[in-house]
Amino acid sequence: ETGVTQSPTHLIKTRGQQVTLRCSSQSGHNTVSWYQQALGQGPQFIFQYYREEENGRGNFPPRFSGLQFPNYSSELNVNALELDDSALYLCASSPGLAGSYEQYFGPGTRLTVT
Amino acid sequence: DAKTTQPTSMDCAEGRAANLPCNHSTISGNEYVYWYRQIHSQGPQYIIHGLKNNETNEMASLIITEDRKSSTLILPHATLRDTAVYYCIVRHYTDKLIFGTGTRLQVFP
Repeated sequence: ETGVTQSPTHLIKTRGQQVTLRCSSQSGHNTVSWYQQALGQGPQFIFQYYREEENGRGNFPPRFSGLQFPNYSSELNVNALELDDSALYLCASSPGLAGSYEQYFGPGTRLTVT
Repeated sequence: DAKTTQPTSMDCAEGRAANLPCNHSTISGNEYVYWYRQIHSQGPQYIIHGLKNNETNEMASLIITEDRKSSTLILPHATLRDTAVYYCIVRHYTDKLIFGTGTRLQVFP
């Protein structure tokens, strides 16, 4: 069974650019959530996708957007990058929405905005 | 905002039990208590969860008080590889995890 994978591992972008981060969910999982983790902080919820539809969003501006594909993989897009967007971006998948399901996290993508 | 309160840091001797407390006084009846940990530069790892009964798995035990306002994660025989930040989270059916700053557990030889 393959776990959650994310690409790329590291990324350096310039302020104002756009970035796309990718996540492959664990086999059989139809729910993907994205989190942003700034240095020294806990992960912050960005949004969640369930069966290709957005299902909940945290306190992030519209320039953070996402997609989920029929195979349940997902993308996180960030437009007009700002210096404060520098963080570890984590993707997590789960087999459903019910509260008793645990989430499985990928290793993250480290984004640096200069 | 996170609904839990945890100590900022704790130490534990290798081979001893590590007991990590968590307060969640505003937990509602349909919210679960989850524990995750994050080893440096890795994604968080699920440890255990429970609703109102005590739970045990191969990694840890979770003790939830009868009034559900607090819980304790127990690592029965801590090893150096258990050094990590431990997050206690209360979670509703929407599947959203709200992380606080967690407890940094340092296991020493």
